[in-house]
This record gives sequence, structure tokens and C-alpha cells, in this order.
Amino acid sequence: EVQLVQSGAEVKKPGESLKISCKGSGYSFTSYWIGWVRQMPGKGLEWMGIIYPGDSDTRYSPSFQGQVTISADKSISTAYLQWSSLKASDTAMYYCVRRPEDGDYFDYWGQGTLVTVSS
Amino acid sequence: QSALTQPASVSGSPGQSITISCTGTSSDVGSYNLVSWYQQHPGKAPKLMIYEGSKRPSGVSNRFSGSKSGNTASLTISGLQAEDEADYYCCSYAGSSTNYVFGTGTKVTVL
Repeated sequence: EVQLVQSGAEVKKPGESLKISCKGSGYSFTSYWIGWVRQMPGKGLEWMGIIYPGDSDTRYSPSFQGQVTISADKSISTAYLQWSSLKASDTAMYYCVRRPEDGDYFDYWGQGTLVTVSS
Repeated sequence: QSALTQPASVSGSPGQSITISCTGTSSDVGSYNLVSWYQQHPGKAPKLMIYEGSKRPSGVSNRFSGSKSGNTASLTISGLQAEDEADYYCCSYAGSSTNYVFGTGTKVTVL
């Protein structure tokens, strides 16, 4: 069974750093892209970026380029999304998604990680 | 890259058919047959319902169908059921620099 299991909810202060994770199982982790999607409270879905764990090829949405870093450790089938200095506006639910190597859609979603940034 | 435009809400009675539109530009929806649709129930992660414009993943009811004309993609739900009440988002490939763009989302209400 394909699963994407994300790390738990986080509460942070502005200016702090954070790294959340997404562990894939039930499939070949290096043969699918892993992307990240933001959903701010009560709002819609926003595309952030994507990584191919097989060779770490990474692409970012222009809106998130320079704001976050996406990485992956294929030895433990885990992808990451990290911030070096959080802002209150980063408060949101973050989903990781799986994208087939030859498809432009997201067939599996993680359960989401809620990040709350508040002083 | 602006979000694709969807109606904020669509409603219908059980058994009826409804259609949700998703309007983009010639840089995204109009250039590629790569629109996907996602269903999101409150407090849950989205679920893939349609991919590559009109294909259904295994396990998705055939009451869901997708199409495209020009810069506008559409999702039709036929034989509307109470369980279809949810938010729906379209998403399109938008080229190598942007990658993907989501729609603004549509809340479907079953009357």
C-alpha cells in the first residue's frame, strides 16, 4: 500500500527555523517525484515545488523560490520542506504529494502537517 | 502565475448533474491536456479524481468526468450524492518555470 506519512504539527515563533518531513512507503521512492502544497487557513491549494529523489532534481514555484528549501534523503525514503526563518504568514497546512515520473498529477497525498507560527 | 479561476460555489439536488469550470490561459490549461481535479472533504487531504483532463484513477466513481475546451477545463459530477459535498480544485501543468498552478477552489453543496 502506497503511503506518504508526514511529521507532526509544529508550533514555532517568528524567526525560528523548521524542517518537516514526508516518508514514502509501499513504492519505489526514487522513481516518483515528491511535491509540496500549501493550504493557508480557510484558503485554497498552492503549488510550492517538487523534487525527484532519484537525482535530487528540484524545481520551485516562483512564488516560493528562495523562501523554502526542498530536499530528500533517498536512503530513508524521506522528503523535506524547510524554512530558515519563519514568518507568521507561513502558518498553514502543508501537504506532500507523489507525482508519477511520466505524469503531471498528484496521485497520493500525505495527511498534512500543520505549521503554526506565532509569537 | 495567477491561480486558475473556478466558481466559488456550485450546488445541486441529489441525482442531478453539476459542472465546475476551471479557466486558465494559453500558458497553462490551453497549452496542455494536463488538468487534474482533486476532491477535499473538510479536515482531510485532497484526493485525485481526474487526471490528464478526462482519465479516472482506479476506484473513482464513473459519475465523475472531465473535459476541456480552449482555456477552460470542466469537471462534471452526475447523479449527485450527499458524499460528493466537498471542495474541488483543478490543477494544470504550466510549463517548466512555473510547473503547476491550482484553481481557486469550488465548494459543492448537495441540497
